Amino acid sequence: AQSVTQLGSHVSVSEGALVLLRCNYSSSVPPYLFWYVQYPNQGLQLLLKYTSAATLVKGINGFEAEFKKSETSFHLTKPSAHMSDAAEYFCAVRRYNFNKFYFGSGTKLNVKP
Amino acid sequence: DTAVSQTPKYLVTQMGNDKSIKCEQNLGHDTMYWYKQDSKKFLKIMFSYNNKELIINETVPNRFSPKSPDKAHLNLHINSLELGDSAVYFCASSQAGGPNNEQFFGPGTRLTVL
Repeated sequence: AQSVTQLGSHVSVSEGALVLLRCNYSSSVPPYLFWYVQYPNQGLQLLLKYTSAATLVKGINGFEAEFKKSETSFHLTKPSAHMSDAAEYFCAVRRYNFNKFYFGSGTKLNVKP
Repeated sequence: DTAVSQTPKYLVTQMGNDKSIKCEQNLGHDTMYWYKQDSKKFLKIMFSYNNKELIINETVPNRFSPKSPDKAHLNLHINSLELGDSAVYFCASSQAGGPNNEQFFGPGTRLTVL
């Protein structure tokens, strides 16, 4: 069975600091992985996705994530946080040819001035 | 050009009422989903349809009945609304198969049951 674990329901960083949001997955086969962002009162928007083409994936708004099979992780990073990055972030996993997506419980990112 | 749209955006109603939420996607996808997001932001999948056929039904009370008239539309009807149904409901779509077909989400419908 698939599952996704996001460590830390709340992460707080200062503006300009490194952002690190953690995601670990459990899967018997390498899955396809996604990070979504949800701004207040909005739907989820795709940040980036891992498709097995490259382990380091670059997304929108300066975010990137690295797939590490040995650690079953897909952590999301951004070198320098901006106030506009404050939002809820969700990691999700999907197996090839399966229509079901498994979402983590979300991490709320707070950016302090 | 809205990719996935939902109506209404807000829905306030009394316990015991019946209500519907509509979803439409113009992305040409063949799979659509309904999710429920509770107050703690946890996303729970409820249903999924592929080409109008129900493929995922996640232990949702019978009071919830999805309907897909065509592959671009997936509606959700809720009978006898209860307080616990208050949540934000998201519709999403994707293209089945393929290695990296992500889901596209609608803006959500905030349902409040009084």
